[in-house]
Amino acid sequence: ETGVTQTPRHLVMGMTNKKSLKCEQHLGHNAMYWYKQSAKKPLELMFVYNFKEQTENNSVPSRFSPECPNSSHLFLHLHTLQPEDSALYLCASSHLGRSARGVNEQFFGPGTRLTVL
Amino acid sequence: AQSVTQLDSHVSVSEGTPVLLRCNYSSSYSPSLFWYVQHPNKGLQLLLKYTSAATLVKGINGFEAEFKKSETSFHLTKPSAHMSDAAEYFCVVSGPNSGNTPLVFGKGTRLSVIA
Repeated sequence: ETGVTQTPRHLVMGMTNKKSLKCEQHLGHNAMYWYKQSAKKPLELMFVYNFKEQTENNSVPSRFSPECPNSSHLFLHLHTLQPEDSALYLCASSHLGRSARGVNEQFFGPGTRLTVL
Repeated sequence: AQSVTQLDSHVSVSEGTPVLLRCNYSSSYSPSLFWYVQHPNKGLQLLLKYTSAATLVKGINGFEAEFKKSETSFHLTKPSAHMSDAAEYFCVVSGPNSGNTPLVFGKGTRLSVIA
């Protein structure tokens, strides 16, 4: 158990649907992340939230819309997706700030396997 | 700028033999380095991390890695492979501690263990 949960674990949607992915962390972290993992590609960072503020958006298409209502919850709203958006979407969290150990080690959820038809 | 190169996309070993997964990094400053493992249909789990303390880092499940600055390498090893080690392994580099520098992931190495 990593302390980071994601729902749903599997999602199949059509290109005209609207759906949301949910992530919740129980680790007291202050930063949360969305990653996309496609077959035979490196893990791609999509969004970073630090203290609920979005600090990074790696040129992600607007059909992906993140929401971070508090430091424990993170959503990824999906609409009018394309088949090439089919992938494993991973959420992670970490603690950012001064620390004697000091590295932003990230803890990952199990992912949502998304298939766009 | 930082980058990481995993030199092998797939490694196959027999059960009970040593494992070596190679990783080279590039970083403008003293990096933090990690190895993560991903079993099928699971998220990523941290195996070990290097944070400028001891250069030989011990992780979970008998894995260890050695930071070699002169070679810019952080190879992952295990003396004796177990069937349960079959998974995807990612080498990761990060910037200075406490910063917002994102993690940079390698493309991964798939480890197969043959009985």
